[in-house]
Amino acid sequence: AQKITQTQPGMFVQEKEAVTLDCTYDTSDPSYGLFWYKQPSSGEMIFLIYQGSYDQQNATEGRYSLNFQKARKSANLVISASQLGDSAMYFCAMRYTGNQFYFGTGTSLTVIP
Amino acid sequence: ETGVTQTPRHLVMGMTNKKSLKCEQHLGHNAMYWYKQSAKKPLELMFVYSLEERVENNSVPSRFSPECPNSSHLFLHLHTLQPEDSALYLCASSLRAGTGAKSPLHFGNGTRLTVT
Repeated sequence: AQKITQTQPGMFVQEKEAVTLDCTYDTSDPSYGLFWYKQPSSGEMIFLIYQGSYDQQNATEGRYSLNFQKARKSANLVISASQLGDSAMYFCAMRYTGNQFYFGTGTSLTVIP
Repeated sequence: ETGVTQTPRHLVMGMTNKKSLKCEQHLGHNAMYWYKQSAKKPLELMFVYSLEERVENNSVPSRFSPECPNSSHLFLHLHTLQPEDSALYLCASSLRAGTGAKSPLHFGNGTRLTVT
């Protein structure tokens, strides 16, 4: 069964606006970690932000923040003040037991000048 | 040199060839991974090595053979591949479970493989 769901195959945002990329997950394990990655056209996967299941506050890293709603099992990425360089694929991932990371299918973000 | 380095960046091989992909990490991590990324598909985990021991093998065909001689190096040996094996192959490293639950995967730039 798919454990990470990203329902938005493609998103567009105007430069300098904020955008939210959706991610829902499915696990019965109480301890897990949620990660967001950015993949530009060059192919490299770049780690953006982490949220632990026991963290009380939403994670933030510069212009990136994670809207973590544990009861709804969602971990949406919010990018504020979008820049042209933010155009890329974005992947949500989860790690719970062991060394496995599960990835969603990704969302393609295009920033419009 | 820092981070995760993969070579080669691009590889074209025939179905009868034998080639190897190389990955090296300089982050002090103790778990290493091979992922396959095909168009319009989620990343597929192929192999995981933790402390140089293979701990995951997700039903990968035997024409893919991993090797982890130490915690810094990971290889993927390829032989008699099929055209559907054409994809981006990503190497990654992290701290293994139990020593770094918050540790994210750090990826290399990938090898773009084309099988003709």
